[in-house]
Amino acid sequence: KAGVTQTPRYLIKTRGQQVTLSCSPISGHRSVSWYQQTPGQGLQFLFEYFSETQRNKGNFPGRFSGRQFSNSRSEMNVSTLELGDSALYLCASSLAPNRLNEKLFFGSGTQLSVL
Amino acid sequence: AQSVTQLGSHVSVSEGALVLLRCNYSSSVPPYLFWYVQYPNQGLQLLLKYTTGATLVKGINGFEAEFKKSETSFHLTKPSAHMSDAAEYFCAVRGNEKLTFGTGTRLTIIP
Repeated sequence: KAGVTQTPRYLIKTRGQQVTLSCSPISGHRSVSWYQQTPGQGLQFLFEYFSETQRNKGNFPGRFSGRQFSNSRSEMNVSTLELGDSALYLCASSLAPNRLNEKLFFGSGTQLSVL
Repeated sequence: AQSVTQLGSHVSVSEGALVLLRCNYSSSVPPYLFWYVQYPNQGLQLLLKYTTGATLVKGINGFEAEFKKSETSFHLTKPSAHMSDAAEYFCAVRGNEKLTFGTGTRLTIIP
């Protein structure tokens, strides 16, 4: 069974641009979460989607948005990029969000560099 | 609200020595607790988790963790470190909301 796939693996953008990251969950998984990982900050929760609906949102500005499609694939978008947005963006999938002890399966991430 | 504190952003141990990575949590409801490991250039993978029942949890690669409610701790241990254990380790807690991660501990193994 294929794992969580994130594309692209690396991305270089300049300040003010926007970016879209893609995540394909494990087949059969309907919940997708996004995290921002930076050195010293660990993983910061961005948002969680289930059945095309956002169920939880972290404390990020409105420049960060996401969506989920009917096939459970998810995208996140960051508009008006800032230098501080440089980070590894990780996507994780699970069967369903209401299983609180459910383990997450992570992709390898998209490394975003903002110049 | 819930939070996780990992004591020590960097830990170095000699090969064959005991590994101890510390994690303290806070949660307003009985928590589910997790340890994830991240190898270089990879995503995170689950090492072990505590849900209910036995407080000593065994995971993959010889790791185990003990849930101590009175100390609000969930420390990760391994009796004998191996070079392949070099990675970053994240403790996480989930009460009745999103999964919250600690800031991570980078484990270095000294040959």
